[in-house]
Amino acid sequence: DVKVTQSSRYLVKRTGEKVFLECVQDMDHENMFWYRQDPGLGLRLIYFSYDVKMKEKGDIPEGYSVSREKKERFSLILESASTNQTSMYLCASIGLQGSDEQFFGPGTRLTVL
Amino acid sequence: GENVEQHPSTLSVQEGDSAVIKCTYSDSASNYFPWYKQELGKRPQLIIDIRSNVGEKKDQRIAVTLNKTAKHFSLHITETQPEDSAVYFCAASMGRGSTLGRLYFGRGTQLTVWP
Repeated sequence: DVKVTQSSRYLVKRTGEKVFLECVQDMDHENMFWYRQDPGLGLRLIYFSYDVKMKEKGDIPEGYSVSREKKERFSLILESASTNQTSMYLCASIGLQGSDEQFFGPGTRLTVL
Repeated sequence: GENVEQHPSTLSVQEGDSAVIKCTYSDSASNYFPWYKQELGKRPQLIIDIRSNVGEKKDQRIAVTLNKTAKHFSLHITETQPEDSAVYFCAASMGRGSTLGRLYFGRGTQLTVWP
């Protein structure tokens, strides 16, 4: 059973802080994704990665960066958090073989004050 | 890039009635169309999907239809139950080749089923 976990369910940070969101998957998936979910806007792709140290920008990468030092772990970094980055952040993964399903983590609700 | 539009944004039905959610996509290269259900406070979960070489797929009370020519696909839920209440997302993908399995999502439909 695929398991995607995220380091925190809820996080409260202050404007200007550096924020790290961690995602780990245990199914040896090659591709991992970070989405942001806001009411009425659906899931918007921030960044994705297809291999260790490889990354691709999604639709809304501004203000974010990512790191993938190990295959199972994909981190989202907010270099200097701002109030407009208050949102739900979802991580997902998919393998190159087998099921087409993208598996999601439980999400991190980030509030920036 | 791909653009997926989803309607309606909210849908209220009486228990036992049917619900239909419609999506359109823009890129004819899209060939995989999943539907995700997200219950309140939970992660999105795949409920059904369809590939571009198939026109319809059914799984118990849910079905998905695809019209490649018109570039639209729909989710049909029959005999709705209160536990069907959730946000439903449609998505489109060009596969795991050049686009790495990337999904393009619609904005979601909040379905409420009244007992």
